[in-house]
Amino acid sequence: SQKIEQNSEALNIQEGKTATLTCNYTNYSPAYLQWYRQDPGRGPVFLLLIRENEKEKRKERLKVTFDTTLKQSLFHITASQPADSATYLCALPAYSGAGSYQLTFGKGTKLSVIP
Amino acid sequence: GAGVSQSPSNKVTEKGKDVELRCDPISGHTALYWYRQRLGQGLEFLIYFQGNSAPDKSGLPSDRFSAERTGESVSTLTIQRTQQEDSAVYLCASSLYENTEAFFGQGTRLTVV
Repeated sequence: SQKIEQNSEALNIQEGKTATLTCNYTNYSPAYLQWYRQDPGRGPVFLLLIRENEKEKRKERLKVTFDTTLKQSLFHITASQPADSATYLCALPAYSGAGSYQLTFGKGTKLSVIP
Repeated sequence: GAGVSQSPSNKVTEKGKDVELRCDPISGHTALYWYRQRLGQGLEFLIYFQGNSAPDKSGLPSDRFSAERTGESVSTLTIQRTQQEDSAVYLCASSLYENTEAFFGQGTRLTVV
């Protein structure tokens, strides 16, 4: 089964710097990969989806890359702000042994942006 | 409704009781997912519905757990004979199709005492 690893449980950075979060997966390369944000006590909120034939995707201060050779996605937040503090999750499609679709999440990286 | 709605928001139940959690997905969304999130932990996949069909129930933690979905509408997750280890936030999400973004509800916080 697909295993997802997000590089660190917690990341602290100074306001204004670029935060870089890593998502690695172990088995087959998925057709796409998603990133979500989760605030305490809330459900995850979708941020970006990147497909296997896309090297890079941008949305405002967010940038995602997808390297199927390295089996890795990088998530960047430029000009970080304290309001960006949250847990960021990557998610991949996977298929169970019975062939059923699953959307599988990594454990997440808790980002703290220090003023 | 505008988003995914889950009820109740909070549920405290005695060990051994049955509980039913409800999820109202976004209208028109064919795919629906249930996850469990223990305190400080990641999202544990439970089950996926395409329409009202769930081809694989192996993600459910035990036979005390069951789920159903009516058409492409409301879904219920039922936990029988609850145990303290069932205490967690249960999250529901829906998406237009299986390869599009998922929209999550606010979750149901279940506490078994």
